[in-house]
Amino acid sequence: QVQLVESGGGLVKPGGSLRLSCAASGFTFSDYYMTWIRQAPGKGLEWLSYIATTGNTIHYADSVKGRFTISRDNTKNSLYLQMNSLRAEDTAVYYCARLYGHFDNWGQGTLVTVSS
Amino acid sequence: FMLTQPHSVSESPGKTVTISCTRSSGSIARNSVQWYQQRPGSSPTTVISENNQRPSGVPDRFSGSIDSSSNSASLTISGLKTEDEADYYCQSYDSSTYIFGSGTKVTVL
Repeated sequence: QVQLVESGGGLVKPGGSLRLSCAASGFTFSDYYMTWIRQAPGKGLEWLSYIATTGNTIHYADSVKGRFTISRDNTKNSLYLQMNSLRAEDTAVYYCARLYGHFDNWGQGTLVTVSS
Repeated sequence: FMLTQPHSVSESPGKTVTISCTRSSGSIARNSVQWYQQRPGSSPTTVISENNQRPSGVPDRFSGSIDSSSNSASLTISGLKTEDEADYYCQSYDSSTYIFGSGTKVTVL
């Protein structure tokens, strides 16, 4: 079955960087667009970015454009999110999700806390 | 654009609830609407895709629709069960951007 497992979350100081990973299994990773979505504590869902199958098309939400970079390695069945210049408001659970018309499979999420 | 949902709805077991999702600008029919259920402590799962399609495994108690006259989408849950208590988010898309509604907490009394 489809499995998405995020990792790389943790505590980071404001202005710091973090790289999240998402390991995919149970499907042909290279056939699917992938995306990152986050949820601040007690808040709603916020779409962040998506990447096409080969990585040739990428889009970001305005809130993270210029600070976050999405990438993928189809040889490793992995999705990444490089997060720079982190702010307190970036504190959230970060989910990777498979994009097939809609977000049809989600990981369990990884918590990122930005605090001094 | 934004998608506006009621903050919360509550109803008794066996009853029917309907959650609205109003698009602020642009036609609701322009792009498909999805609905996600998020139970406490869990990741979201899709209950409705493409306005009114139920993914495999989703009970037929869940149904979706769109109404161009009110520029809104709706999720209806009939025969409410305690297991339906969760947050529900609508979601749509425009200009390479995915938008979620603010979420509605469904409480089964």
